[in-house]
Amino acid sequence: AQSVSQHNHHVILSEAASLELGCNYSYGGTVNLFWYVQYPGQHLQLLLKYFSGDPLVKGIKGFEAEFIKSKFSFNLRKPSVQWSDTAEYFCAVTPSGYSTLTFGKGTMLLVSP
Amino acid sequence: GAGVSQTPSNKVTEKGKYVELRCDPISGHTALYWYRQSLGQGPEFLIYFQGTGAADDSGLPNDRFFAVRPEGSVSTLKIQRTERGDSAVYLCASSLGGGTAGTDTQYFGPGTRLTVL
Repeated sequence: AQSVSQHNHHVILSEAASLELGCNYSYGGTVNLFWYVQYPGQHLQLLLKYFSGDPLVKGIKGFEAEFIKSKFSFNLRKPSVQWSDTAEYFCAVTPSGYSTLTFGKGTMLLVSP
Repeated sequence: GAGVSQTPSNKVTEKGKYVELRCDPISGHTALYWYRQSLGQGPEFLIYFQGTGAADDSGLPNDRFFAVRPEGSVSTLKIQRTERGDSAVYLCASSLGGGTAGTDTQYFGPGTRLTVL
C-alpha cells in the first residue's frame, strides 16, 4: 500500500518569506499527486495536481510543486507567502488507475504579518 | 453553484448508539468518497461509490460501518454500536467521473464532526 510523508508538522514564516513544504510518497508504480489546502473554517480544496508531463506544476494563488520521480517527492513551493496563506496543507497520492486518495498528516503553516 | 454538503455539521452521541451521516454531492458527479479525519491526521479513505455501487470499501474499519447510495446521488454513512474511537470528522467528496483514471478533482464537503461520549 502507498503512504505519504510530510516532514514538517508546523511551519512559521513571516510575510514575503519563501515556502517549501516537503512531501515524499512510497509506491513503486506510476502515481497521481495532489496538494490540498484547508484554510481556517473552510473545506479542503485543491491547490494543484500532477498526472504526467511537465514535472513542474503550477496551481492557484502562486503555488507550484515539482515532481522528482527519483526522489519520490512532490514538494510544494511559493516564492513569497502572504498572511492569507495561513492554512493546513495536505499532500496526497493515488496510484494511476485508481481514484482513492492517500493523504499525509498535513503541515500547518502560520504566516505572521 | 452548490458544493458538497454534509449533515449534520456536528453530532454528539453516546457509546453504543447508532448514527447516520448524510452527504449531498455536487449535482452530476457520479463518484462519491467518504474519508475520516482524526485529530492531527490527514483524511483516511473509507469507501468509494461509482454511481449506486460501492466500487471500493476496503477502507471501512470493521462491520459496524456501512454506507449506501441507493439512487446514485445522496449517500449515507451508517455507524452501528458507536465507540469512543469513532470520534472524528467524517468527510465526503465527489468527483465528476471517478472511474479508473484517478485524475478527476475531488471536491470536499465541510465534514461532520462526530463525538462519541
